[in-house]
Amino acid sequence: NAGVTQTPKFRILKIGQSMTLQCTQDMNHNYMYWYRQDPGMGLKLIYYSVGAGITDKGEVPNGYNVSRSTTEDFPLRLELAAPSQTSVYFCASSYRMSDTEAFFGQGTRLTVV
Amino acid sequence: TQLLEQSPQFLSIQEGENLTVYCNSSSVFSSLQWYRQEPGEGPVLLVTVVTGGEVKKLKRLTFQFGDARKDSSLHITAAQPGDTGLYLCAGGYSGNTPLVFGKGTRLSVIA
Repeated sequence: NAGVTQTPKFRILKIGQSMTLQCTQDMNHNYMYWYRQDPGMGLKLIYYSVGAGITDKGEVPNGYNVSRSTTEDFPLRLELAAPSQTSVYFCASSYRMSDTEAFFGQGTRLTVV
Repeated sequence: TQLLEQSPQFLSIQEGENLTVYCNSSSVFSSLQWYRQEPGEGPVLLVTVVTGGEVKKLKRLTFQFGDARKDSSLHITAAQPGDTGLYLCAGGYSGNTPLVFGKGTRLSVIA
């Protein structure tokens, strides 16, 4: 079973460049999430979605955008990359919001130089 | 604002030792989850506890949810090098509110 798949695994961006982090899940989960993980800072929620066509901001949404056109896909867009966006990004999905397992992808390590 | 405080932040122990890590909050949660994350991987769920005072065991790992559902602990008996990793607790609320994650406890078990 594929679970949650993220691409790319690694990326180096120059300041001001744009990119899209891809995330797809094959578990038919309605709930999907994007987190960033900085050293020693745990997971911070960027955006989440409760179903196709519905997205909402998390704790740290500035500098990012998302869309959810299908149940399976939840891409994260960085429009003008800044060094502060250097981080490891995780996509996750779950059957319900808070009391069921969140399945995580392997992460995308992004460096902005 | 960090709603979930985990302690200790770092822990390095010898193989065979016992340890306890803590997850504390001033908020009441409807559920609490523990995840383990290995280098280069995403977090993987270990357990979910939903009832105040609940105790769950997973081989050498014992998880407890506080009576007031504000805190939790993870106890590992006879730690092994394979237990090395980042342990994250996550609190859940009822309704459509996302999980809140702590900063984690980074455990290193030395053979």
